[in-house]
Amino acid sequence: EPEVTQTPSHQVTQMGQEVILRCVPISNHLYFYWYRQILGQKVEFLVSFYNNEISEKSEIFDDQFSVERPDGSNFTLKIRSTKLEDSAMYFCASSQRQLNTEAFFGQGTRLTVV
Amino acid sequence: AQSVAQPEDQVNVAEGNPLTVKCTYSVSGNPYLFWYVQYPNRGLQFLLKYITGDNLVKGSYGFEAEFNKSQTSFHLKKPSALVSDSALYFCAVRDIKTGANNLFFGTGTRLTVIP
Repeated sequence: EPEVTQTPSHQVTQMGQEVILRCVPISNHLYFYWYRQILGQKVEFLVSFYNNEISEKSEIFDDQFSVERPDGSNFTLKIRSTKLEDSAMYFCASSQRQLNTEAFFGQGTRLTVV
Repeated sequence: AQSVAQPEDQVNVAEGNPLTVKCTYSVSGNPYLFWYVQYPNRGLQFLLKYITGDNLVKGSYGFEAEFNKSQTSFHLKKPSALVSDSALYFCAVRDIKTGANNLFFGTGTRLTVIP
């Protein structure tokens, strides 16, 4: 069964450093997403990406965040200057275009900012 | 604005008993509704969805959910709980009116099935 894969599974970084979280969505999917889950809290939408551009973003997704699809398979989330409050589990997801289709989630990257 | 409420942080049920995990939603238009399950150190796994048609939808692992438009609810149910069902369950909504593809999640309900 096809699945979304994320690397690394856990990343520790110092405050102020840049991090790149990587994802390989399901190959025939067209929409790609990043969500985050701060420990003990709900899953929050960050950004969606379609046709090589951002289609929606939340207020969390400020100028320190960026997304990219550098090739035909990878989808990345970059945090330019990490803050302590960026510590969270980051989930990548993908779906087919239609609104009535479910999103498939990766296993997540646990980001710890120290 | 879209929102999802899961009023119970924790649900405990004995193995073999029926279980219900509650979810209510608020959207400006018609909703697409989803349930996901999260096992420890794992990502979110899709369980089932309501798009249109029958109000009772069936999904993976014997779970089902009932869409109730008048009560704006989408409760998750299973006739006979298994210990292996113990996990964190998230309800999510997508608002058709906005056309946005992103999901809004509830805060999650931790289900514990007691042997």
